[in-house]
Amino acid sequence: DIQMTQSPSSLSASVGDRVTITCQASQDISKYLSWYQQKPGKAPKLLIYDASNLKTGVPSGFSGSGSGTDFTFTITGLQPEDTATYYCQQYDSLPPTFGPGTKVDIK
Amino acid sequence: EVQLVQSGAEVKKPGESLRISCKGSGYSFTNYWITWVRQMPGKGLEWMARIDPSDSYTYYSPSFQGHVTISTDNSLSTAYLQWSSLKASDTAIYYCARTGVFPSKGWFDPWGQGTLVTVSS
Repeated sequence: DIQMTQSPSSLSASVGDRVTITCQASQDISKYLSWYQQKPGKAPKLLIYDASNLKTGVPSGFSGSGSGTDFTFTITGLQPEDTATYYCQQYDSLPPTFGPGTKVDIK
Repeated sequence: EVQLVQSGAEVKKPGESLRISCKGSGYSFTNYWITWVRQMPGKGLEWMARIDPSDSYTYYSPSFQGHVTISTDNSLSTAYLQWSSLKASDTAIYYCARTGVFPSKGWFDPWGQGTLVTVSS
């Protein structure tokens, strides 16, 4: 199975800050990476697919980049409603695997 | 609107059987796979299995193979996750999600609201 790592595991930032999360795959997954937001008590929601494509309707303050084994997720202009846990997930090969998550809250 | 609606919370005893459901609407049910994901209390997301409703082909994570069974009833646009003998360690929230073919459209969207399964004596 492909192992996914994320860093940091948690972070605290101020409203308006730029926040960056990294995700690394244990082998080349090309562009086949997605990012999800999960708010407490809610189901995960897709934000980004194919490493950098923003799902329609998702605010433009969210973005993703990378390919191969190293990926980055960025929130530009952190808002209180962005408090959540963010997961990366590879779908290059079965079984699909998730990163351990990064918990983001407001300082 | 494309959505998946899951059945309600369940409380069961160890050794009991259970089937939970996930009903799709707003799209052609047989054109997309359904995947199941487990989230244990306070933990991350674990992929369990997926099914192609068009031919019932299934693929299970080795971690779940033999312990759960997934199926669909296409006439009801509904997918199922079932256990024949629950364990306390099955206590978790279970999510279904729609996915396209791997890898070109393998992301998960949308997700069901989740079904909380509690197994306790």
